[in-house]
Amino acid sequence: QVQLVQSGGGVVQPGGSLRVSCDASEFSFSSHDMHWVRQAPGKGLEWVAIISSAGNNEYYGDSVKGRFIISRDNSQNTLYLQMSSLRVEDTAVYYCARDFFSSGLDVWGQGTTVIVSS
Amino acid sequence: DIQMTQSPSSLSASVGDRVTITCRASQGISNYLVWYQQKPGKVPKVLIYGASTLHSGVPSRFSGGRSGTDFTLTISSLQPEDVATYYCQKYNSVPPWTFGQGTKVEIK
Repeated sequence: QVQLVQSGGGVVQPGGSLRVSCDASEFSFSSHDMHWVRQAPGKGLEWVAIISSAGNNEYYGDSVKGRFIISRDNSQNTLYLQMSSLRVEDTAVYYCARDFFSSGLDVWGQGTTVIVSS
Repeated sequence: DIQMTQSPSSLSASVGDRVTITCRASQGISNYLVWYQQKPGKVPKVLIYGASTLHSGVPSRFSGGRSGTDFTLTISSLQPEDVATYYCQKYNSVPPWTFGQGTKVEIK
C-alpha cells in the first residue's frame, strides 16, 4: 500500500549533525511535493520544510533555516532531511509527509525520534 | 508570516455533545485550510481540506466551515473515539505551512 518508511534519527550532541531518510512506496513519488514536520515532546506540530516534486525548490521554517537541508532522490524514491548545528530545542519526533496538492498532508511516515543532548 | 490561532487549547465534553473548534488566520488564506486529527501515539490524519471538504473515509459527524479568516471544525455528536488533538494548517502554497497550536478534546 501507499506508505512512507522512515529511518535514521537517534541521539546527538548539541552542535552535531544527523540525517533522517524517508522511503516512499506504491505511489508516484516524483509527482508530489514532500514535507518534513516535527513534534517536540508533549508539544504540537511544527512545519519544518518542503521540497518541490522535481527537487528544484525548497522552503524552510524560520527555526531551522540555514541549519537543515531537505533533499530528494526521485530515482530512489527517497526524501532526506540533513540536520546540522543541532540544538537541544530540535529534540522531536520528525515526520515526513506527502503533499496531496491542495488537500493536505495525506500520507505520513511513522516518525523518527531525534534527541539532542549532551 | 501568517499566524494561525486555534481555540480553545483544550475542551472536555460529553458523548453526544456538539463540539466546535476555531482557527483564525492573521491574513486571508481563502479556503486553503486543512484540519488534522492526531490520536495519542499516532500520526496525524487529514479530516477536512479546502476548509469544508471531508477527506475520504472521515465520518460525516465532522464538518468544516469558514467565515472570512475564521475557520471552524465541528463534531456534531462527540464519540469516545474522537478523543484526540486537532490541528489546523494553512495550505495556500505560500510558505510557511503553519499549524495552529492544537486543541485537545477529551470526554467528560
